Formats: sequence, C-alpha cells, structure tokens
Amino acid sequence: AQSVTQLGSHVSVSEGALVLLRCNYSSSVPPYLFWYVQYPNQGLQLLLKYTSAATLVKGINGFEAEFKKSETSFHLTKPSAHMSDAAEYFCAVSTNQGAQKLVFGQGTRLTINP
Amino acid sequence: GAVVSQHPSWVICKSGTSVKIECRSLDFQATTMFWYRQFPKQSLMLMATSNEGSKATYEQGVEKDKFLINHASLTLSTLTVTSAHPEDSSFYICSAKTSGGNEQFFGPGTRLTVL
Repeated sequence: AQSVTQLGSHVSVSEGALVLLRCNYSSSVPPYLFWYVQYPNQGLQLLLKYTSAATLVKGINGFEAEFKKSETSFHLTKPSAHMSDAAEYFCAVSTNQGAQKLVFGQGTRLTINP
Repeated sequence: GAVVSQHPSWVICKSGTSVKIECRSLDFQATTMFWYRQFPKQSLMLMATSNEGSKATYEQGVEKDKFLINHASLTLSTLTVTSAHPEDSSFYICSAKTSGGNEQFFGPGTRLTVL
C-alpha cells in the first residue's frame, strides 16, 4: 500500500522568494511520484512526475522536485515565487502495478504575498 | 494532446433525483478511467476504477448501487449518482489513462449541488 504526507496544509511566501512544498511518501515497491496544481473550481494539472528515471525532475512553470529514496521524499521547489503560483498543490504516489491508482496527499495551499 | 472533458461542469438537482456526469477523452483512447470525489478544502478521494467493457472496481466504503459507473467505450465513462442527497454534494473529477501509460489526465471537474 502507498501513502503520502504533505507537511504544511498552508504555506505562505513573498513574491520572488523560494517556494518549498514538502512531500513524503510510503511505498512497498518502487514508486511513481507526481505533483499536481489545482486552481479554484478546476481539475488537476500535472506539474511534474518521477517514474524511475532522473531523480531531479523539472516541470512546468519553473518548478522542480528531487526524488530522495533515503529520505522517502519528493519535495517541490521553485526559486522565485510568482503571484500566479497561488493555488492548491497535491503530491501523489502510484506504482507500475495493477491499475496504477493514485494516492493523494492532503494538499498544500500556497499563498503568495506581494 | 491528452485532453479530458467533463459534462456538465456544474449541476444543481433536487434531493431524490439522479444525476449523470460524463467523462470523455478527446484525443486518446482511455483504457482505464478513474472517478474521484473532492469535498471543500480536502484532497481527492478515489471512488472507483473502470476499465473499458468491464465492471468498475469500487473503493472501500463507496456504494456501487448509488454511484453507477459505465465505461462503454474507449473515450467515454459515465458516473450516475442515484437518488442524490445533500451529502452527495461535492466536486467530482474524472481522470483517464492509456494502456501502458503511467500518467492520469484529469478532467476539469463537475460541481454537484443537491438541494
């Protein structure tokens, strides 16, 4: 079974500051890891994914994440926050087995202060 | 590419009525579709997984007779909420993936409000 824990339900940063959203996972088999962004009343948009290739993954909108097996982490970062980054962010885990169901973390609401 | 649509985007219905939500993959064949429910300020909870031409697999605690799922073609899955009640009010999101793919493509969601 897989699980995801996102530390911090709400993160607030200033515009131009570093964004760090934390995600730790648990999986009994090699995981696939995903970060999604959700704007109000919309579906999910994939930011980036890790599927056992390079451990440092670059995504859209300047985001990147690093898979660290020893720490069971997949934290999301962006060097400089923009006002348009304000949204809800979800980390999710699946595997290459079966239906490849996604298990989502609780979500982190990112607020950008001007 | 990899666009998923949902219809309707929002619906309001009276308690006791049934509501059907459609999920379509517009530019790819979706061998597997997933249905999620999201309550306000909460995460997505998987309700069921459906494979084209097969019966859906429901997650524990999800009533299969209340949430009817049909995946009759490689581009269409439907979720019917039968005898809806106010507690069924939620944001319903579908996703779709191809055979052999490792990524789910999400629809824009359907807001259901039961009065």
